[in-house]
Amino acid sequence: GNSVTQMEGPVTLSEEAFLTINCTYTATGYPSLFWYVQYPGEGLQLLLKATKADDKGSNKGFEATYRKETTSFHLEKGSVQVSDSAVYFCALSNTGANSKLTFGKGITLSVRP
Amino acid sequence: DTEVTQTPKHLVMGMTNKKSLKCEQHMGHRAMYWYKQKAKKPPELMFVYSYEKLSINESVPSRFSPECPNSSLLNLHLHALQPEDSALYLCASSLPGSSADTQYFGPGTRLTVL
Repeated sequence: GNSVTQMEGPVTLSEEAFLTINCTYTATGYPSLFWYVQYPGEGLQLLLKATKADDKGSNKGFEATYRKETTSFHLEKGSVQVSDSAVYFCALSNTGANSKLTFGKGITLSVRP
Repeated sequence: DTEVTQTPKHLVMGMTNKKSLKCEQHMGHRAMYWYKQKAKKPPELMFVYSYEKLSINESVPSRFSPECPNSSLLNLHLHALQPEDSALYLCASSLPGSSADTQYFGPGTRLTVL
């Protein structure tokens, strides 16, 4: 079956530091890959996505590249801000009817001023 | 516009109460989802509706009863809940069959069962 593995957290960084959050996956076929972010007290927001190998998703300074050879979709940002403090979930979905999202465990990022 | 709305934002109910959660989207999506999320955990899928028909029920107890009155609305009827059902309930929607099939989430209803 499908699975998503995220690096263990939490992660604490100083403002303007470089961020990498690792995500690897196991899936049949050619899944789509997603990063969702959840700010305190809120629902999940789609941060970025990639639908095929070598695609790069990007949004709000965050980037992730779909690497089929390493089955990875690591999230990066060059300079984090305090407002980036949130929980980040990596997820995958097989396309087609009734496709399900498989989530990683999530990682809490805290950015201090 | 990628907005999914949910009401109420917060709900407190006793174990003998009957209440309903509501979800609405106007993006033309034909798949809608209910998830349950406990603190510090990823969301867990409960139900999927595709073209207003229930297509997935993840062995959810019968005290949770979903309803999809039309393609824009999704309800979750609650009856005789237990304290362990306290959680954040998230609704999502997507355009089934599209290449990305991206799910867009609402802000959630924070449910407390006393």
